[in-house]
Amino acid sequence: DTEVTQTPKHLVMGMTNKKSLKCEQHMGHRAMYWYKQKAKKPPELMFVYSYEKLSINESVPSRFSPECPNSSLLNLHLHALQPEDSALYLCASSPPDAAGYSPLHFGNGTRLTVT
Amino acid sequence: DAKTTQPNSMESNEEEPVHLPCNHSTISGTDYIHWYRQLPSQGPEYVIHGLTSNVNNRMASLAIAEDRKSSTLILHRATLRDAAVYYCILRGTSGTYKYIFGTGTRLKVLA
Repeated sequence: DTEVTQTPKHLVMGMTNKKSLKCEQHMGHRAMYWYKQKAKKPPELMFVYSYEKLSINESVPSRFSPECPNSSLLNLHLHALQPEDSALYLCASSPPDAAGYSPLHFGNGTRLTVT
Repeated sequence: DAKTTQPNSMESNEEEPVHLPCNHSTISGTDYIHWYRQLPSQGPEYVIHGLTSNVNNRMASLAIAEDRKSSTLILHRATLRDAAVYYCILRGTSGTYKYIFGTGTRLKVLA
């Protein structure tokens, strides 16, 4: 079990649907991350929130919309996705350490399939 | 952004040591070197990290070259449960939370 909980574990959605992925941690971490991982590839950074403010957006298409409503929760809202967006979406958290000392804690991801 | 280069795959026999290399020739002076591993159907798991000195913990050891342009993750006695993809990570830009994964090394452990 991990200390970062992601729901749902699996999601199948059509290209016209709107859905949301949820990530929760109670370790007091103030930095939270979304990564996207395609099969047999490394995770790719999408977004970073620091103290509930968006600090990094890696030029992600607007059909992905992140939200950090409080220090424990991170959402990723999905709308009008394409089949190529099918992937494992990973959430991570870390203490607010811009020096890079603190390790990332990952959830086990949401496996998204877009039909 | 600082990049890392790792071999695509490696094999090891069970109960033998494994040395997993990572090259990071563009590392900046303040970047920590992190290692994570990813077991099938799971998220990445923290293994170890360091800045300049060699580091040991219960999972592994990290040897960092004197010029910091490369590092090696050492598993002292590989077990079948160590079969995973091992990633070497640097922070991409000094002062940010931009952690960039390398391509990873798929470790196969033979019984």
